[in-house]
Amino acid sequence: KAGVTQTPRYLIKTRGQQVTLSCSPISGHRSVSWYQQTPGQGLQFLFEYFSETQRNKGNFPGRFSGRQFSNSRSEMNVSTLELGDSALYLCASSFWTGSTEAFFGQGTRLTVV
Amino acid sequence: AQTVTQSQPEMSVQEAETVTLSCTYDTSESDYYLFWYKQPPSRQMILVIRQEAYKQQNATENRFSVNFQKAAKSFSLKISDSQLGDAAMYFCAYRGVGSGSRLTFGEGTQLTVNP
Repeated sequence: KAGVTQTPRYLIKTRGQQVTLSCSPISGHRSVSWYQQTPGQGLQFLFEYFSETQRNKGNFPGRFSGRQFSNSRSEMNVSTLELGDSALYLCASSFWTGSTEAFFGQGTRLTVV
Repeated sequence: AQTVTQSQPEMSVQEAETVTLSCTYDTSESDYYLFWYKQPPSRQMILVIRQEAYKQQNATENRFSVNFQKAAKSFSLKISDSQLGDAAMYFCAYRGVGSGSRLTFGEGTQLTVNP
């Protein structure tokens, strides 16, 4: 069965622009979580969506937002990009919120110039 | 808030030898899960092993085993018979039972396997 798919794999944006990243979870999975990975801050939790509702949110500014569709696909949006937003953004899917196992995608590498 | 600490930024091991990666965590919760994830150069996080806090028995998955010391809040990963394919960044992660799917990760340990 297909794994977690994140698109695009690579992205280059200019400061001040906005960006939308997509995550398609494993078929049947209803929970999608997003993480930001940087060399300085490591892996940090952004938010979790389950059944189209945000269930959990990390400590990120309001420029970071997300949503989940009825087919469980999720998007995250970052507005007014800053250089510090350059990172690997990882998505993880689970059957439901609190499942003991999460499966990760290969990530989207965002570079802000 | 929960924190996870990996004090070894880098480790190396000879092929076929055994290596242990350390992890400590801090929490006030009594029920939680602990995980070790592997991130190879492909960047995809792969679950290596998990441990439920209520289980006293240490988890084992083939060549991978953990030493879970709940009172000491310690969760180390032992890799036996190391293989070249084990080379990767290893992350220790914590999830509270009431935290949904939210994982708190350690800083990671870069493991090199020497032939």
